[in-house]
Amino acid sequence: DAGVTQSPTHLIKTRGQQVTLRCSPKSGHDTVSWYQQALGQGPQFIFQYYEEEERQRGNFPDRFSGHQFPNYSSELNVNALLLGDSALYLCASSKGISDTQYFGPGTRLTVL
Amino acid sequence: GESVGLHLPTLSVQEGDNSIINCAYSNSASDYFIWYKQESGKGPQFIIDIRSNMDKRQGQRVTVLLNKTVKHLSLQIAATQPGDSAVYFCAEILSGNTPLVFGKGTRLSVIA
Repeated sequence: DAGVTQSPTHLIKTRGQQVTLRCSPKSGHDTVSWYQQALGQGPQFIFQYYEEEERQRGNFPDRFSGHQFPNYSSELNVNALLLGDSALYLCASSKGISDTQYFGPGTRLTVL
Repeated sequence: GESVGLHLPTLSVQEGDNSIINCAYSNSASDYFIWYKQESGKGPQFIIDIRSNMDKRQGQRVTVLLNKTVKHLSLQIAATQPGDSAVYFCAEILSGNTPLVFGKGTRLSVIA
């Protein structure tokens, strides 16, 4: 039973660029949530997707956008990258909006 | 601000001893709590959860205690092993379908 997978594992971008991160949920899960984790901090909720729609959103600017596909996989897009966007981006999946969330290994984004 | 916090940022224990990691929350409406373990370079791993209608729940070598009177949560790890070394986060769901709110984490170091 495959767990949550994310790609790529590491990414280096420069300021102003755009980035797309990908997530495949755990088998049987239909809900994907994205988190940003700065070094030494706990994960911060970005948004959640269910039935291909954004259901909830945290306190992140519109530069952060996402998408969920019919197979439940999801993408996180960040435009106009800032140095402060450097972080570990985590994807979590669950069976429904309020069920227990299981995390992937994350994508380490470095913005130079 | 964050409604979930931790009393101690670091904890060192001898191998074989019991570990206790504490967490305070500020919202009495919170009804679901989860403990996650995060090893270096990995995503958070689900350990155990508890709902607000319970005050204790046990897993394999782990016990979570919930004291709603003082809004306090603890994770007890029995016979701590070197593989338990990690950062531990408590996370909270305020109510219904609101997203997970994480605290900053406690780093557990096991001394062999």
